Amino acid sequence: RKEVEQDPGPFNVPEGATVAFNCTYSNSASQSFFWYRQDCRKEPKLLMSVYSSGNEDGRFTAQLNRASQYISLLIRDSKLSDSATYLCVVTGYSSASKIIFGSGTRLSIRP
Amino acid sequence: DAGVTQSPTHLIKTRGQQVTLRCSPKSGHDTVSWYQQALGQGPQFIFQYYEEEERQRGNFPDRFSGHQFPNYSSELNVNALLLGDSALYLCASSLTAQGQALEKLFFGSGTQLSVL
Repeated sequence: RKEVEQDPGPFNVPEGATVAFNCTYSNSASQSFFWYRQDCRKEPKLLMSVYSSGNEDGRFTAQLNRASQYISLLIRDSKLSDSATYLCVVTGYSSASKIIFGSGTRLSIRP
Repeated sequence: DAGVTQSPTHLIKTRGQQVTLRCSPKSGHDTVSWYQQALGQGPQFIFQYYEEEERQRGNFPDRFSGHQFPNYSSELNVNALLLGDSALYLCASSLTAQGQALEKLFFGSGTQLSVL
């Protein structure tokens, strides 16, 4: 079983739609969780951290479910510019912990 | 404020050759991590350097080695290149203090390595 798993997609949704995807992790000792966005042939960029209480940043909402060991990302009122690959990242508490990326979920927003 | 810079941006090598990739971290960062990203895959962790020492290592063979310099910049060396080493190599920097990551990972734009 992979340490971090994501549905590769692609998710193809119309502009304005709400889309959500999950990421599961296998190490119950994992402490820190993030979503990164990666555009084609570009480097990953931090989208948002995922806190135990959940967090929201504009149209983006991230949730953590420790009991079921998954994190989620919800995008409301999707824009064409949201088209990208979304990478789930899981790590431990210490900066010396391994940082594990999922394979990414491809999202394509159509006009 | 300079971000993470990597060089070269593209590189073509043949099987069996050796390659060195370079990375300068974001200003103020002291920790450098290297990742290999094959087409259609997420970044795979190679290793992390802090205080000029390898602190963590992923599942990569000894052909992959690295170094960190006193100015925090880093090199990734790959010996005896294989076709399967063709990938985008990403460098990421962060700040460590008292064993905790104070800042998230910031990535360079990567080096695209093609092995023929």
